[in-house]
Amino acid sequence: AQSVTQPDIHITVSEGASLELRCNYSYGATPYLFWYVQSPGQGLQLLLKYFSGDTLVQGVKGFEAEFKRSQSSFNLRKPSVHWSDAAEYFCAVGVNTGGFKTIFGAGTRLFVKA
Amino acid sequence: EPEVTQTPSHQVTQMGQEVILRCVPISNHLYFYWYRQILGQKVEFLVSFYNNEISEKSEIFDDQFSVERPDGSNFTLKIRSTKLEDSAMYFCASRALAAYNSPLHFGNGTRLTVT
Repeated sequence: AQSVTQPDIHITVSEGASLELRCNYSYGATPYLFWYVQSPGQGLQLLLKYFSGDTLVQGVKGFEAEFKRSQSSFNLRKPSVHWSDAAEYFCAVGVNTGGFKTIFGAGTRLFVKA
Repeated sequence: EPEVTQTPSHQVTQMGQEVILRCVPISNHLYFYWYRQILGQKVEFLVSFYNNEISEKSEIFDDQFSVERPDGSNFTLKIRSTKLEDSAMYFCASRALAAYNSPLHFGNGTRLTVT
């Protein structure tokens, strides 16, 4: 069955420090991978997506993610975190099960300390 | 930039009552979805809707749930007889293409509280 695992429930980093949020997926076919961000009281906003080609994809707000097929991973990174990056981050995989649904991980809540 | 809009932002209802959550997807989008997020938990798929019919639904989407696109713009989720465990944030989403590599565009959600 298709699934997405985000092993870290929450992460705290200092402002200006680098960030890596982990994501592993399980899907038998070519994965279509996404990272979304959710600020309190808001819907989910797309940060970046991977379909094919270059395994390092750039997103908005300085985020990037690297697809590693051998590890079934799609980790999100940012070289220098800003206080405004504090939010919940969801990794997701698009699956073709008839309804073209997207399956989400449980999310990682990012806290940024001054 | 066009966006998905949901109303109301917060709905409080008593157990056993019917609720209708409303969504206006982005106008040229083809696929419509409802997801829910119980407080502190993951975002769960409920149902997808395409060409005026349900294309897929999860095990959560039982007979108490229904969806409808009553006109060319609105997309509604009805819960016939609410239960306490239906309390959650409900997100509507739409996508432009009938393809699973097309990203979802989400509304800001409706927080449903069942008392």
